[in-house]
Amino acid sequence: QKEVEQDPGPLSVPEGAIVSLNCTYSNSAFQYFMWYRQYSRKGPELLMYTYSSGNKEDGRFTAQVDKSSKYISLFIRDSQPSDSATYLCAMSRAGNNRKLIWGLGTSLAVNP
Amino acid sequence: DSGVTQTPKHLITATGQRVTLRCSPRSGDLSVYWYQQSLDQGLQFLIQYYNGEERAKGNILERFSAQQFPDLHSELNLSSLELGDSALYFCASSLTSGGTGELFFGEGSRLTVL
Repeated sequence: QKEVEQDPGPLSVPEGAIVSLNCTYSNSAFQYFMWYRQYSRKGPELLMYTYSSGNKEDGRFTAQVDKSSKYISLFIRDSQPSDSATYLCAMSRAGNNRKLIWGLGTSLAVNP
Repeated sequence: DSGVTQTPKHLITATGQRVTLRCSPRSGDLSVYWYQQSLDQGLQFLIQYYNGEERAKGNILERFSAQQFPDLHSELNLSSLELGDSALYFCASSLTSGGTGELFFGEGSRLTVL
């Protein structure tokens, strides 16, 4: 079993839809949770960063962490065609040399 | 633009050959990370250097090696190439060694082994 599981999709939604992307993990020691966005033929870029549990909102994006369920989510409101990309979750433990553990990524297509 | 520069962008070579991928980190970043990305394995961490020293090792094959130079640029050497080494190779950089997880990625080097 992988430490981080992420449904690869693809996920296809109409423009304006609310998108929910999810990852589950098995290691209860994870404290830092990130979402990266990767456009085709580009490197991943950090989208959202959360420490421990709770929600974080940034514009149309909301990241949620539920440590009791070992489950993290990224919500995209009013999705746009420009949101079409692969979304990767990543997480790490606390302490020095926090090795990031990555999900496989979910491919999202937002159709105009 | 992340500020991380990788060369070459594309590379086609034959099995058994050796290639070198180069990475210049963002100005001021001391850590360099190398990742391999393939469709079935996702993003796989290979190795990390911090200020010239190896800091962490991931799933890096013995045929692969890396180093970080005094000017902080890094090179990933891949030798005795096999078909399965075809992948996207990303370099990322960050200011610190542990950090908050914010890595800045280059655009990658796409390696095709024929």
